[in-house]
Amino acid sequence: QKEVEQDPGPLSVPEGAIVSLNCTYSNSAFQYFMWYRQYSRKGPELLMYTYSSGNKEDGRFTAQVDKSSKYISLFIRDSQPSDSATYLCAMDSSYKLIFGSGTRLLVRP
Amino acid sequence: NAGVTQTPKFRVLKTGQSMTLLCAQDMNHEYMYWYRQDPGMGLRLIHYSVGEGTTAKGEVPDGYNVSRLKKQNFLLGLESAAPSQTSVYFCGTQGAGWSYNEQFFGPGTRLTVL
Repeated sequence: QKEVEQDPGPLSVPEGAIVSLNCTYSNSAFQYFMWYRQYSRKGPELLMYTYSSGNKEDGRFTAQVDKSSKYISLFIRDSQPSDSATYLCAMDSSYKLIFGSGTRLLVRP
Repeated sequence: NAGVTQTPKFRVLKTGQSMTLLCAQDMNHEYMYWYRQDPGMGLRLIHYSVGEGTTAKGEVPDGYNVSRLKKQNFLLGLESAAPSQTSVYFCGTQGAGWSYNEQFFGPGTRLTVL
């Protein structure tokens, strides 16, 4: 079993939809939880990070962590075609990052 | 200010050949990482460094070696390339104090081993 599981998609939604991206994990020691966006043929870029449980909001993006369920989510409101990318979750393990496999998102105009 | 650069951007090798990938950063970051990304696998850590002169193994270190003789450079070597090492390689950096706001990735190196 992988330490971090993520549905690969692809997930296709119409412009303006609310998008929900999720990851589950098995290591209860993880404390920091990150979401990255990766455009085709580019390196990942950090979108948001959250420490421990709770919610964090940044513009149209909301990150949610439920440590009791070992489940994290990224919500994108009013999705735009420019949000089309692969979204990777990652978790901190002793100064190293453990990544999910990524979910490919397509926002249709 | 170039951030994180990777050299080369593309490379095709024959089985058994060797090569070195260079990651360079101009942000004075302490931590540097080499990842590989394969379809459906996310990023997997190959080797990492927590400071100049230090290196450590990650999740998939076999077949690779690294060196960090200068703080700004992290080199990844393939001594005898194998087709299984066909992948996209990303370098990552992070500032001291483990601030996630100071975390960056390079643009990647696409390596094909025939």
